[in-house]
Amino acid sequence: EADIYQTPRYLVIGTGKKITLECSQTMGHDKMYWYQQDPGMELHLIHYSYGVNSTEKGDLSSESTVSRIRTEHFPLTLESARPSHTSQYLCASSEFEGLGTEAFFGQGTRLTVV
Amino acid sequence: GQQVMQIPQYQHVQEGEDFTTYCNSSTTLSNIQWYKQRPGGHPVFLIQLVKSGEVKKQKRLTFQFGEAKKNSSLHITATQTTDVGTYFCATTLGNGQNFVFGPGTRLSVLP
Repeated sequence: EADIYQTPRYLVIGTGKKITLECSQTMGHDKMYWYQQDPGMELHLIHYSYGVNSTEKGDLSSESTVSRIRTEHFPLTLESARPSHTSQYLCASSEFEGLGTEAFFGQGTRLTVV
Repeated sequence: GQQVMQIPQYQHVQEGEDFTTYCNSSTTLSNIQWYKQRPGGHPVFLIQLVKSGEVKKQKRLTFQFGEAKKNSSLHITATQTTDVGTYFCATTLGNGQNFVFGPGTRLSVLP
């Protein structure tokens, strides 16, 4: 069973609010990822990290920011939420070695901005 | 960058019918992974293939990796309602690089 946790599971907030989506994993994985996904649709990589103090932007432009101060923790922050940010946000992690590793996903945060 | 494509985008089948989704790349892949995402859920790893021509089975699911390592397929025999979801193929680029996910095939199974 994968040990990667996201909170909150569901969030409804007003436009302009600042929010932080939490993601933690207990597997000691170096690599962590944030994906944005509309229900059942493509996974869009928005941020990733190779390890502590490493953060990179993904393929999809995003107005969010991330930090990686501890190996197990990779929070995503939206400074000013807008209705266009309404989506599901999935956090994932994997071992650093690319070939032969699998991605473990959290259960996701469903964000609605009203 | 490297891309993997999947067809079909959607598939509706009657319960008991077979289902196949295909994953294709224009370049040789080092591996292929398959994930399943149930409605309202998150992607869950199913299997990885690394060898040319490799075939693996998991109960009613059969996974194949093409001889040229540019395509893969997932075949489900006698679908059940529990098979409903989106099936993603993915590849990893090695050297700590990121996963590349296909756009997914959404399967619905009519009882």
